[in-house]
Amino acid sequence: EAGVAQSPRYKIIEKRQSVAFWCNPISGHATLYWYQQILGQGPKLLIQFQNNGVVDDSQLPKDRFSAERLKGVDSTLKIQPAKLEDSAVYLCASSRALVHEQYFGPGTRLTVT
Amino acid sequence: SQQGEEDPQALSIQEGENATMNCSYKTSINNLQWYRQNSGRGLVHLILIRSNEREKHSGRLRVTLDTSKKSSSLLITASRAADTASYFCATDEGTYKYIFGTGTRLKVLA
Repeated sequence: EAGVAQSPRYKIIEKRQSVAFWCNPISGHATLYWYQQILGQGPKLLIQFQNNGVVDDSQLPKDRFSAERLKGVDSTLKIQPAKLEDSAVYLCASSRALVHEQYFGPGTRLTVT
Repeated sequence: SQQGEEDPQALSIQEGENATMNCSYKTSINNLQWYRQNSGRGLVHLILIRSNEREKHSGRLRVTLDTSKKSSSLLITASRAADTASYFCATDEGTYKYIFGTGTRLKVLA
């Protein structure tokens, strides 16, 4: 089966610009996650969807980050405006259900200058 | 918030040796998962162990869980150079939200 797809793989922007990331989960997976991973740290959950509903977004900086999962399939994560501290790898993952192993995409490496 | 913390932070061993890394967490959990991350394959799921299980095996991997001590260990037997990676534990907080630890960086020397 095809894995989790993410694009773009790399992105360099200046601070205060906006950026969007796209994720297509494994077919049939109901749960979709967005994580932020800063170099040397573990992934930090930003938002979790179950189908097209939000399960948890308690660590999403809502003043600048937004995410949606229209039709319960693919998802986009947006940052507007970006700050230097947003430089990180943004990982998308999906799972069959809420308590299941997660399958991760290759990530998008964001550099904010 | 950091739920799980891996120990040691870094580990260097010779090929063929066993590697043990530990994860401690703070609150009650439903289950705990171990993941591996290397530059070639990204983050990959290794094992999920439920709170009512004490030990699980998968190939050369053995995971134990001690809920009374709020800790888990991952043992890799007969390590190979390809096992070089960062290993993370991920725990829920009794909910559906998983929190990853800081990871153990394992280096296996040929």
